[in-house]
Amino acid sequence: GAGVSQSPRYKVAKRGQDVALRCDPISGHVSLFWYQQALGQGPEFLTYFQNEAQLDKSGLPSDRFFAERPEGSVSTLKIQRTQQEDSAVYLCASSHDRGAGYTFGSGTRLTVV
Amino acid sequence: QKEVEQDPGPLSVPEGAIVSLNCTYSNSAFQYFMWYRQYSRKGPELLMYTYSSGNKEDGRFTAQVDKSSKYISLFIRDSQPSDSATYLCAMSGSRGGSNYKLTFGKGTLLTVNP
Repeated sequence: GAGVSQSPRYKVAKRGQDVALRCDPISGHVSLFWYQQALGQGPEFLTYFQNEAQLDKSGLPSDRFFAERPEGSVSTLKIQRTQQEDSAVYLCASSHDRGAGYTFGSGTRLTVV
Repeated sequence: QKEVEQDPGPLSVPEGAIVSLNCTYSNSAFQYFMWYRQYSRKGPELLMYTYSSGNKEDGRFTAQVDKSSKYISLFIRDSQPSDSATYLCAMSGSRGGSNYKLTFGKGTLLTVNP
């Protein structure tokens, strides 16, 4: 597709439920990033993939967060046992190299109730 | 103190005004400086990308970086109602290092009134 596609756009989860958020990057983009954006804040880095390799996961807030990109294209961010503080917009971005000229998707808005 | 500080506003200006947005930062390793525009319920969209100190102009937008003062600015000339959005500054470290990891400001909410 022409842009970065994320699904679902909105997700409501009950506290304790597991969720999976999908990201379809721009075709051919080797770099893929996940960011978390809380209400009224700027995005914060979660993790970075180069092709299928997860090179940096230093921003993942806890071991309940897990990301994968098994074939170097589509990526999934999984959050286990969701908590209220996980409520945020989760943004995926891709880039054709390691440079910072990302293209962001529209995000998945997660609300944990 | 956060690494990147940005006044969240809100900022309201009449159509045609010159808008000045700015950020300060504390990490001297930052080398790449960006401005993103984010419309409501959309992802950030890259507006300007500059390396190190200096000015860069693109149409109605001018980005300035002053590394000695750790201060960056975005100017919007002849502002339009369609410029109404949240403007986020972002920066990253040097190539070969973690230049892929962006550190964002909180964003400034701008409204341009017709």
